Amino acid sequence: DTAVSQTPKYLVTQMGNDKSIKCEQNLGHDTMYWYKQDSKKFLKIMFSYNNKELIINETVPNRFSPKSPDKAHLNLHINSLELGDSAVYFCASSQDLAFSYNEQFFGPGTRLTVL
Amino acid sequence: GQQLNQSPQSMFIQEGEDVSMNCTSSSIFNTWLWYKQDPGEGPVLLIALYKAGELTSNGRLTAQFGITRKDSFLNISASIPSDVGIYFCAGYGSGNTGKLIFGQGTTLQVKP
Repeated sequence: DTAVSQTPKYLVTQMGNDKSIKCEQNLGHDTMYWYKQDSKKFLKIMFSYNNKELIINETVPNRFSPKSPDKAHLNLHINSLELGDSAVYFCASSQDLAFSYNEQFFGPGTRLTVL
Repeated sequence: GQQLNQSPQSMFIQEGEDVSMNCTSSSIFNTWLWYKQDPGEGPVLLIALYKAGELTSNGRLTAQFGITRKDSFLNISASIPSDVGIYFCAGYGSGNTGKLIFGQGTTLQVKP
């Protein structure tokens, strides 16, 4: 029973294409996140949503658009893919926005390769 | 913005040895979390620390929240081959932004 799941696991595509990554959590959490992990393994938050409302948007290009149809899902759509978008993207979730007690649980990641 | 400096960057040790890694910051953090990432997987939470001075254990792992709230360490005792992976410290800083900040990671390799 996967708590936070992402699809696809691997995504290889050409520059200029548009692609989506899906995320679902079955933990009953209110808050979901997208992180980007670069080639040096550094993890950086991109977005967070609480009950389908955008909370954090960390200076991410407009080509990235998160969408939350309900609080159990947070999808990431990327337009006009660029070489620099190649990375591993992680979805995460946490109970709520009680910031001091906010353990985040991560999905398995989606490795995006842009050729 | 707030940053976490994690060290060492990598460690190569013999099975059975103890390991220590730490994170420091120039600013105060309210919560410290330690994660482990196995190859091809997402980070998995190991230990969460909520109060300054708190010392918490999880099996062979022990972590402490520094008194100054600007540092934390993680110790692994009697390492085994499955301890291999990348260990990340992470924390919530001041200002209640809800943004979890990660250290650069410590890559641990264990020689059987």
